[in-house]
Amino acid sequence: NAGVMQNPRHLVRRRGQEARLRCSPMKGHSHVYWYRQLPEEGLKFMVYLQKENIIDESGMPKERFSAEFPKEGPSILRIQQVVRGDSAAYFCASSKMSAGGTGELFFGEGSRLTVL
Amino acid sequence: GEDVEQSLFLSVREGDSSVINCTYTDSSSTYLYWYKQEPGAGLQLLTYIFSNMDMKQDQRLTVLLNKKDKHLSLRIADTQTGDSAIYFCAEVSPNFNKFYFGSGTKLNVKP
Repeated sequence: NAGVMQNPRHLVRRRGQEARLRCSPMKGHSHVYWYRQLPEEGLKFMVYLQKENIIDESGMPKERFSAEFPKEGPSILRIQQVVRGDSAAYFCASSKMSAGGTGELFFGEGSRLTVL
Repeated sequence: GEDVEQSLFLSVREGDSSVINCTYTDSSSTYLYWYKQEPGAGLQLLTYIFSNMDMKQDQRLTVLLNKKDKHLSLRIADTQTGDSAIYFCAEVSPNFNKFYFGSGTKLNVKP
C-alpha cells in the first residue's frame, strides 16, 4: 500500500541543464497535482493532470516547464534550461475523485531541486 | 481562491492549547482542509470540514468555520512537542481542479 512516490528526492543541476521529476500516484488514483514550495513559503499550484490529459496548467510558467501523465508510467514534471530561481521543493499529490468524495490530496515527500 | 492567509508563527508551551487561524476567499469552496508538514517531509491531511458545517471535532483537534467571515481555525488541545510542525490551511475550487494553500503557520511547542 505504497503512498505517493517521488524521485529523485534531491536533484542538483547546473544552470542551463534539464531537470526531470517523477511522481507515481497512489494505487487507484488517476488525478495528479504538482506544487512548488519555495523556502519559507507556502505551496503554489502548478498543474493538474489526469491520465493522458492536462486539465489545468494555469500555474505553470509558460516557458521551460512542462508536465505529462502518460497512460503507463509516472507523471513527469520537466524543467528545461534551469535557472537559480527554479530551486525549490516540488511536491506531487494524487487524489481519487469519486462521487461524494472529499477530494483528499495525498502528498509525496517532495523532490528538492538545487540549481547551482 | 488564491489568497488564503495565515499568520506565520505561533509559539506555545507544552500542555497549552494552540489556535491557528486562516482566512480564505472563495465562498464556493466545498471543503476546507488542514494539513501538517514536518521538516523535510510532504504534507499530511489532518482534518477537513465540509462547508455547511460550523464545527468539527476529532480527538485533540477542533475545526471552527465561520462562513460569513471566511475564517477557519484549528485548535489543538493539550499541545505536545510532537505537534511542532508547519500547518497549512487549504481550500479547493468547486470543480476540484485547484487546491489553494496558505503560506503555513509554523507551530513551535516549548517543553
